Amino acid sequence: GQNIDQPTEMTATEGAIVQINCTYQTSGFNGLFWYQQHAGEAPTFLSYNVLDGLEEKGRFSSFLSRSKGYSYLLLKELQMKDSASYLCAVNNAGNMLTFGGGTRLMVKP
Amino acid sequence: DTGVSQDPRHKITKRGQNVTFRCDPISEHNRLYWYRQTLGQGPEFLTYFQNEAQLEKSRLLSDRFSAERPKGSFSTLEIQRTEQGDSAMYLCASSLIRDRLYNEQFFGPGTRLTVL
Repeated sequence: GQNIDQPTEMTATEGAIVQINCTYQTSGFNGLFWYQQHAGEAPTFLSYNVLDGLEEKGRFSSFLSRSKGYSYLLLKELQMKDSASYLCAVNNAGNMLTFGGGTRLMVKP
Repeated sequence: DTGVSQDPRHKITKRGQNVTFRCDPISEHNRLYWYRQTLGQGPEFLTYFQNEAQLEKSRLLSDRFSAERPKGSFSTLEIQRTEQGDSAMYLCASSLIRDRLYNEQFFGPGTRLTVL
């Protein structure tokens, strides 16, 4: 079966750092994606991890531990525009993406 | 604009009516996916096509739902005898599968369906 867990909501302050965790149990693993989705809009690609370790892309970084079935998305120097939902998605053996429920991040001044 | 497009963006219908949505993927993409998303949830997979072949359907996809991709380009999703529980955002995504490890999907803006 497929199971992807992430917190439902998080709140952080503008300028701070926030870490959004994702744990997964899936049939097969061909990488993990993070997407950002603003309310009423389509998800947009943020990052992709297939090997263990940290991938850094500007203010956003993503980490993967395949042995632990664990990933996190790290957002630095938070801005108000970062208020959105963040979706963790696993690419399984059939090249299918299974999404978690999403984490709604609220950035406060 | 070379992204994924969907039409219509919004659809309001009465229970029992049929509705059809269209998705135009990025032109060179060989895979096309349909998802359903309800408020506060992540996208739920419905079905996908590789070129014109429908390769997988979720058990969420009842027999009232049918999808086609007749020429391996655009796709349509039809819902027959709509029910209030069908109210959701229907998202289309496309990707270019070149190897088994990478499947970045590009999403369209979605069609929001409201069934009264």
